[in-house]
Amino acid sequence: QQQVRQSPQSLTVWEGETAILNCSYEDSTFDYFPWYWQFPRESPALLIAIRPVSNKKEDGRFTIFFNKREKKLSLHITDSQPGDSATYFCAASASSGSWQLIFGSGTQLTVMP
Amino acid sequence: DPKIIQKPKYLVAVTGSEKILICEQYLGHNAMYWYRQSAKKPLEFMFSYSYQKLMDNQTASSRFQPQSSKKNHLDLQITALKPDDSATYFCASSQDSNNQAPLFGEGTRLSVL
Repeated sequence: QQQVRQSPQSLTVWEGETAILNCSYEDSTFDYFPWYWQFPRESPALLIAIRPVSNKKEDGRFTIFFNKREKKLSLHITDSQPGDSATYFCAASASSGSWQLIFGSGTQLTVMP
Repeated sequence: DPKIIQKPKYLVAVTGSEKILICEQYLGHNAMYWYRQSAKKPLEFMFSYSYQKLMDNQTASSRFQPQSSKKNHLDLQITALKPDDSATYFCASSQDSNNQAPLFGEGTRLSVL
């Protein structure tokens, strides 16, 4: 059972456009949602994270929108740059119980110049 | 300088052999993890340790054994290697409790022939 789902699997946008990456989850106990990005042949790196006390988290061009009722979140990248081309992973964990961070299968973003 | 050191970077092994993947972190973190990434299962949680104690184990096979000789070390011993074990193994760490986004090491790319 896939607990964290991401869509689309791949996304291509033009430079300057807004890229929207989607994520949904099953477990209602999840209360921490980090997003990682990963460049080819590198390790995943934390990009931005949100806790459900808020429904929006912004960091520069990157914004997470969170909908607790629908168990969905999305990452918006405004003014996309070619350097943003990477695979983006949505992840989730719960403050009680398991210590594991569950990752989605990723969205491969390509920003065309 | 990398704060989480994984050795070796690349490893080629024959089926049936045994290998140890080394991980040391110099961040003063108390929690350490192992994740595996392959084409079939991106970023799959394996183990979590806190203060050298096993907190969570999501690896079905006993062929994978974490070893923590010091608080900042978490090695991974893999016995009876199979071609399906071919993947990149990432060590990660976080300050202490769960619900924190771990920092990833550069990974060990294992190929089993």
